[in-house]
Amino acid sequence: KAGVTQTPRYLIKTRGQQVTLSCSPISGHRSVSWYQQTPGQGLQFLFEYFSETQRNKGNFPGRFSGRQFSNSRSEMNVSTLELGDSALYLCASSSKPDTEAFFGQGTRLTVV
Amino acid sequence: EDQVTQSPEALRLQEGESSSLNCSYTVSGLRGLFWYRQDPGKGPEFLFTLYSAGEEKEKERLKATLTKKESFLHITAPKPEDSATYLCAAPSGGSNYKLTFGKGTLLTVNP
Repeated sequence: KAGVTQTPRYLIKTRGQQVTLSCSPISGHRSVSWYQQTPGQGLQFLFEYFSETQRNKGNFPGRFSGRQFSNSRSEMNVSTLELGDSALYLCASSSKPDTEAFFGQGTRLTVV
Repeated sequence: EDQVTQSPEALRLQEGESSSLNCSYTVSGLRGLFWYRQDPGKGPEFLFTLYSAGEEKEKERLKATLTKKESFLHITAPKPEDSATYLCAAPSGGSNYKLTFGKGTLLTVNP
């Protein structure tokens, strides 16, 4: 059974640009969550999607957005990139409420 | 505010030297406590889920336990390949799918 797949693995962008990250969940999982991981803040929740609807959102500015498609694949977009957006962005998928989330390998975003 | 706190931040052990990692939480209506292992540059790898006080789960040299206020990850006779960051997390904020993570414990096992 294939795991959670994130693309690309690495990305370098310039301040002010925008970026789109992609996540394919485990087959059959309908919930997809996104997290930002930095050395100082650890893993922080960005948002969660279920059946193409955003159900939960963390405390991040509106520059961070996402969407989910009918096949449960999800994309995350960050506009007007700032240096502080450099981080490992992780996607996780779950099958049922309050059960374990399985993570992808992440996308390492560097903003220069 | 829901919080998950892990200690110590870093732990260095000799191969074979057993120890425990701590995860304390203040989450209203705990609906599960999850342990993950994370290697550098990779996503967290799921280890255990605990749902009720007194519950224990084991996997190889690792055993996770849960009380009403904290969880422990016991590592018995660790090997260098157990070196990683260990994270605990709990569903929080009234959401079934939003996880609040601790900052993790960086474990180094020296041969």
